[in-house]
Amino acid sequence: QSALIQPASVSGSPGQAITVSCTGTGNDVGRYTFVSWYQQHPGKAPKVLIYEDIKRPSGVSPRFSGSKSGNTASLTISGLQAEDEADYYCCSYAGSNTWIFGGGTKLIVL
Amino acid sequence: QMYLVESGGGVVQPGGSIRLSCTTSGFTFGSYAMFWVRQPPGKGLEWVAFIRSDGFAQGHRDSVKGRFTISRDNYKGTLSLQMDSLRPEDTAIYYCAKANGGSYSYFHSWGQGTLVTVSS
Repeated sequence: QSALIQPASVSGSPGQAITVSCTGTGNDVGRYTFVSWYQQHPGKAPKVLIYEDIKRPSGVSPRFSGSKSGNTASLTISGLQAEDEADYYCCSYAGSNTWIFGGGTKLIVL
Repeated sequence: QMYLVESGGGVVQPGGSIRLSCTTSGFTFGSYAMFWVRQPPGKGLEWVAFIRSDGFAQGHRDSVKGRFTISRDNYKGTLSLQMDSLRPEDTAIYYCAKANGGSYSYFHSWGQGTLVTVSS
């Protein structure tokens, strides 16, 4: 159960768009349409942004979008805002009632 | 308003045991799968355990199999995690999370977490 691979950090200026990648294998990301993304601010519980690869829960800003190609999923944040500075985690179902998270990506808003 | 409140965390010696609880309200607990997710200090999230709404299907991460047991009481609306043979690497904030309905494909709602510290 090795973690999904995410970049340690990404950065962008206000108004720009950034993309966070999440690479797994054919046994998790590539096999199931069950990738989700979470935002976590310091000292707070995570909050879901994207589920089932591309779907956005009600109440989540349309600036957040998800995509997937093969074994790699991606989260794109457009129109970057200062409050987007946080940690971002991907997660995938991995079969047999198990789930696996990515190592997390720190977003720095310049 | 939906609430998930974890309790039971604390300091425990290596090899010891502790039982975490998650008290819920604001939704029909017995209709949803539930999870435990942990976060070691300064590190990332780790899925720990899953239990289906009826309690008859479960899953645990490899590193806790045989040591941790997830359970639920649908009458009381509570989720539990019995943690035995604890190791220093189990030190983390433990969150309970409610699944979405139907496919339980993601962690829809989270509690604020309870800290477990394994240290002598």
